[in-house]
Amino acid sequence: DADVTQTPRNRITKTGKRIMLECSQTKGHDRMYWYRQDPGLGLRLIYYSFDVKDINKGEISDGYSVSRQAQAKFSLSLESAIPNQTALYFCATSEAGTGDEKLFFGSGTQLSVL
Amino acid sequence: AQSVTQLDSQVPVFEEAPVELRCNYSSSVSVYLFWYVQYPNQGLQLLLKYLSGSTLVKGINGFEAEFNKSQTSFHLRKPSVHISDTAEYFCAVTTPRGSEKLVFGKGTKLTVNP
Repeated sequence: DADVTQTPRNRITKTGKRIMLECSQTKGHDRMYWYRQDPGLGLRLIYYSFDVKDINKGEISDGYSVSRQAQAKFSLSLESAIPNQTALYFCATSEAGTGDEKLFFGSGTQLSVL
Repeated sequence: AQSVTQLDSQVPVFEEAPVELRCNYSSSVSVYLFWYVQYPNQGLQLLLKYLSGSTLVKGINGFEAEFNKSQTSFHLRKPSVHISDTAEYFCAVTTPRGSEKLVFGKGTKLTVNP
């Protein structure tokens, strides 16, 4: 089983719909992240959480919200999806205090907003 | 703030040829540098990292990179590539203990042809 699991793997939705992308991890890491990947733009940070009570905005948080339900679960919501939110979304984790900031990624969720 | 520039968006090479993927960074403070690889339909995984010490860093699958502070570069090299090395490669930079500040380049798509 994967250490970082994202569901669903693919999602097609319509403009204006609310959707949630889920991420769970079995690595026991405190830190979790949501990134989006767009062709030719690399990865950009949406939100991150250093523990259950700590949520922080990343570079491109507008139009997104998150919930850290437990140490192992971090979900990303689009309250009212729009077409330019079509992208590949990645959840990642890292271990606090190691100093080397290695990230472990899920396999991604391909989201299409029509 | 840190930034990273990957100088080539696409690099086609023939099997068993050497390859160099170029990465330059910008930062006013000390940095940690990373190369991540993304195989088709997968999440990113760490290839290698530079934290401190020896400027030549060896990673998985025969890749290595050299940190050059004077040229602010961290180029990735492999002396002989295989078809299985076809993937997208991302250079990333952060400051020590600043995982939330990890900044990714836009990626270089390496295609290895037979």
